[in-house]
Amino acid sequence: RKEVEQDPGPFNVPEGATVAFNCTYSNSASQSFFWYRQDCRKEPKLLMSVYSSGNEDGRFTAQLNRASQYISLLIRDSKLSDSATYLCVAGRGSTLGRLYFGRGTQLTVWP
Amino acid sequence: EAGVTQFPSHSVIEKGQTVTLRCDPISGHDNLYWYRRVMGKEIKFLLHFVKESKQDESGMPNNRFLAERTGGTYSTLKVQPAELEDSGVYFCASSKTGGLYYNEQFFGPGTRLTVL
Repeated sequence: RKEVEQDPGPFNVPEGATVAFNCTYSNSASQSFFWYRQDCRKEPKLLMSVYSSGNEDGRFTAQLNRASQYISLLIRDSKLSDSATYLCVAGRGSTLGRLYFGRGTQLTVWP
Repeated sequence: EAGVTQFPSHSVIEKGQTVTLRCDPISGHDNLYWYRRVMGKEIKFLLHFVKESKQDESGMPNNRFLAERTGGTYSTLKVQPAELEDSGVYFCASSKTGGLYYNEQFFGPGTRLTVL
């Protein structure tokens, strides 16, 4: 069973739409959670950390449900520049440095 | 501030040859990580250095892979001898020292390795 599972998409949405991504993680020992963004043939970049209380950064809202081992990302008012692959990530290990990545969800925002 | 750099950006070698990948972390970052993405699969953890010491190398696929970080600065990842299944993108990441808590990992642009 994969450590982190997420719907690969693709999601194709018009500008201004709201889109939601979900993922699940299999190991309850995971302690840190993130959404990374990866543009085509580029490196992953941290979009936001995810906390149980939920956190928001502008148009982006992330949520963690530890009981169901479920992580979500909501993007409101989509922009063309949001087109990318979104990677769901769980971390654990002695220094929480070992990251487990999902395969990514591809998003295309069209004008 | 310079980001994580990796060299080379691309490498094409034949099966059985040796390849050495280099990673220069962000200055002052004690933590250095290697990850790999094989075609069609997720990015997978290979190992974690804290300064010059290997903190966690449980993700290394086999003994054909050797990582070093002499002096606790840059790191090299050698594959010897390379096999076809080693093809993929090798990412390096670094982070500050964070004790027990996560610090953001900054990724380099990756080295795209193709083994023919």
